[in-house]
Amino acid sequence: DTGVSQDPRHKITKRGQNVTFRCDPISEHNRLYWYRQTLGQGPEFLTYFQNEAQLEKSRLLSDRFSAERPKGSFSTLEIQRTEQGDSAMYLCASSPRVRLNTEAFFGQGTRLTVV
Amino acid sequence: DQQVKQNSPSLSVQEGRISILNCDYTNSMFDYFLWYKKYPAEGPTFLISISSIKDKNEDGRFTVFLNKSAKHLSLHIVPSQPGDSAVYFCAASKNTGFQKLVFGTGTRLLVSP
Repeated sequence: DTGVSQDPRHKITKRGQNVTFRCDPISEHNRLYWYRQTLGQGPEFLTYFQNEAQLEKSRLLSDRFSAERPKGSFSTLEIQRTEQGDSAMYLCASSPRVRLNTEAFFGQGTRLTVV
Repeated sequence: DQQVKQNSPSLSVQEGRISILNCDYTNSMFDYFLWYKKYPAEGPTFLISISSIKDKNEDGRFTVFLNKSAKHLSLHIVPSQPGDSAVYFCAASKNTGFQKLVFGTGTRLLVSP
């Protein structure tokens, strides 16, 4: 399977705990994105990496959120001191730098439930 | 501020008929538009896209139409099949060098046999 892989698929955590999600993009894709989707909404952009550089962050990404992409390969998204409002589906996507406009390929997502 | 709007939360169609899903946008800087299909508990799957220099793009049973003056696009599925039942998201992006997609809220399509 050469698609975008996310781990874990589901995470239940208590409020105040830290959680970390992992994304493995399609191997030849140098662009990586994180999105968040809440119930009844479309995915919302969180952040973008080109190789290892984090080039844009949404204002949705509060100080409790941090994302990394060491060596330009896999990426991690960490949420510190989780709140119930953080409950959502966290989606990772990747795209190649072949041309300017190209579709992004999404992983299956990590569903976070904060109790 | 919802820059991409899908005003129909749901659509029911009979198998074999045409499904038409609509999407409106407000930001005239958007120049690339995509449709994604999403099944429950899965990530969005890319379906079809269109650049702002075109007004139509076709791929098999799927056709996307773009009306820039009206800031409106639509997805036509002909003929509709039960396996097409899913949530369809319209997305748009600006020419910023990367794919920062702005999504609509989705339309749930149900195709009945």
